[in-house]
Amino acid sequence: NAGVMQNPRHLVRRRGQEARLRCSPMKGHSHVYWYRQLPEEGLKFMVYLQKENIIDESGMPKERFSAEFPKEGPSILRIQQVVRGDSAAYFCASSPLAGGPANIQYFGAGTRLSVL
Amino acid sequence: SQQGEEDPQALSIQEGENATMNCSYKTSINNLQWYRQNSGRGLVHLILIRSNEREKHSGRLRVTLDTSKKSSSLLITASRAADTASYFCATDAESEKLVFGKGTKLTVNP
Repeated sequence: NAGVMQNPRHLVRRRGQEARLRCSPMKGHSHVYWYRQLPEEGLKFMVYLQKENIIDESGMPKERFSAEFPKEGPSILRIQQVVRGDSAAYFCASSPLAGGPANIQYFGAGTRLSVL
Repeated sequence: SQQGEEDPQALSIQEGENATMNCSYKTSINNLQWYRQNSGRGLVHLILIRSNEREKHSGRLRVTLDTSKKSSSLLITASRAADTASYFCATDAESEKLVFGKGTKLTVNP
């Protein structure tokens, strides 16, 4: 049973380019979350998605950032026209269909984005 | 703003000793969770404690929760070098999203 898969593990982009980060949730999980982690910091929530729906994007910057979780395929976090301040580790987590109050999220290994 | 704040920020102990980390939060919660992160890796879920629970054990881990003080502690007994990692508390006060603290960096020296 594969865990949450993120790719690429490392991504280098120049300022102004686009970054696309992919996340395949655990099998049977329909809830996906994206978090960002700056060095020496905790994770900051960005967006929560279910299949084909954005449920909560309160942590997403208003511009340049978008996320999707299509019916088929992985969830994508897209950052357009990247700037140096976007350099961070981006983590995806998934959880199973809500069946109780406990919200345990299972994390991928992350994508480390470096903007030159 | 951060919901959870861990202290200490860094902790260095010898193998075999116990490690205690604390977490404080600001608003009412449903659950509080502790996660571990090894350097350069993703987070691994350790333990979840519900708001109506006061203490929970899992192997060498003991978690307490005091909702009146809005605080939790994580105790790792008989620590090992492999316990070296950053430890984060996370709360779910606001719907499904988790709010993390900045973490405690634990170093266990062999």
